[in-house]
Amino acid sequence: DIQMTQSPSSVSASVGDRVTITCQASQGISSWLAWYQQKPGKAPKLLIYAASSLQSGVPSRFSGSGSGTDFTLTISSLQPEDFATYYCQQANSFPLTFGGGTKVEIK
Amino acid sequence: EVQLVESGGGLVQPGGSLRLSCAASGFTVSSNYMSWVRQAPGKGLEWVSVIYSGGSTYYADSVKGRFTISRDNSKNTLYLQMNSLRAEDTAVYYCARAPTDDAFDIWGQGTMVTVSS
Repeated sequence: DIQMTQSPSSVSASVGDRVTITCQASQGISSWLAWYQQKPGKAPKLLIYAASSLQSGVPSRFSGSGSGTDFTLTISSLQPEDFATYYCQQANSFPLTFGGGTKVEIK
Repeated sequence: EVQLVESGGGLVQPGGSLRLSCAASGFTVSSNYMSWVRQAPGKGLEWVSVIYSGGSTYYADSVKGRFTISRDNSKNTLYLQMNSLRAEDTAVYYCARAPTDDAFDIWGQGTMVTVSS
């Protein structure tokens, strides 16, 4: 199974800050990586697919990069509605696996 | 409107069975890669199962042999039959669509399954 390791597990930030979350795969997954945002009590929302493609309707302050084993989600200027938990997910092979999540909290 | 609506969750005793349903609107279930993903209380996301448009299915090791994914094309509905349920199966279960086989763009609201005596 491919293990997905996210860091940090939590981050405290202020509105306007630049936030970077990393995700490392235990083996190469090319660009088969997605990023999701989840708010309490809600279903996850797709932000980024194919490592760097922005899902329709998602604000351009979100961006993704990386390939192989190392990936990054960046929020260029944190907005109040961005406080949530973020997950990466690999789609290279079964079983599909998610990272442990990164909680973005208000500083 | 493109949406997924789950139902069928509830409280069940260990060893019991439950069938979850996921009704789709705005698109055709049988033309898409559809999955179930679960989330235990306070925990992260765990992929459970997938059914391809061609009918192939895959399962997480934790549910293999106990859960079965299927679909009813006439009802445009996805199912998850869960047998021999265990306490560790307690979670919110989401159905989700992956139109390009790589990321889940549409999710249902989730249905809670509690396995307890």
